[in-house]
Amino acid sequence: ETGVTQTPRHLVMGMTNKKSLKCEQHLGHNAMYWYKQSAKKPLELMFVYNFKEQTENNSVPSRFSPECPNSSHLFLHLHTLQPEDSALYLCASSQEGDTQYFGPGTRLTVL
Amino acid sequence: EDQVTQSPEALRLQEGESSSLNCSYTVSGLRGLFWYRQDPGKGPEFLFTLYSAGEEKEKERLKATLTKKESFLHITAPKPEDSATYLCAVPHAGNNRKLIWGLGTSLAVNP
Repeated sequence: ETGVTQTPRHLVMGMTNKKSLKCEQHLGHNAMYWYKQSAKKPLELMFVYNFKEQTENNSVPSRFSPECPNSSHLFLHLHTLQPEDSALYLCASSQEGDTQYFGPGTRLTVL
Repeated sequence: EDQVTQSPEALRLQEGESSSLNCSYTVSGLRGLFWYRQDPGKGPEFLFTLYSAGEEKEKERLKATLTKKESFLHITAPKPEDSATYLCAVPHAGNNRKLIWGLGTSLAVNP
């Protein structure tokens, strides 16, 4: 595997389900990011981790819970989501504040 | 307020018809401007980083330029495979891991 990988690529869940998104970076970077991308909106930064420590939380609802066990892996745990949370969720990594490299994304649909 | 504005919102070209996309920004102390390409349902793919006014970078049919207030992405003799959304982003003045994103220009190149 190279670059940034994300699984699953597609996810459909009910409002009462609990699921997790996974991201792995193979670039040796020390920072990882979660973004939300919705139609007609710019990319929204959700969380930033630097060396496994969360350094940014942009007022994200608590139904989104990130986890970064090491500098190569990032998870986004989802529970009791709302239909408006349906979007493309993107993971990215960078070395310090340099260029961010993105994964392919997870298309999430909340029913 | 830090802001990134891209124009036009959408552009349709005939194959071989050159054009330019614009990204204007208002941020104090620019510390880089990033161009990405995004195909539908996929993550953004990094194209260029520009750091100072007057800088230019090229890749195949694409050339990015930077002034003190805006950047242009010039597309020379485009092909249908250049069809995508082109995104521009700049680092927030106080936090270079936090990018301010434009809404993108959706480019369609007809054969």
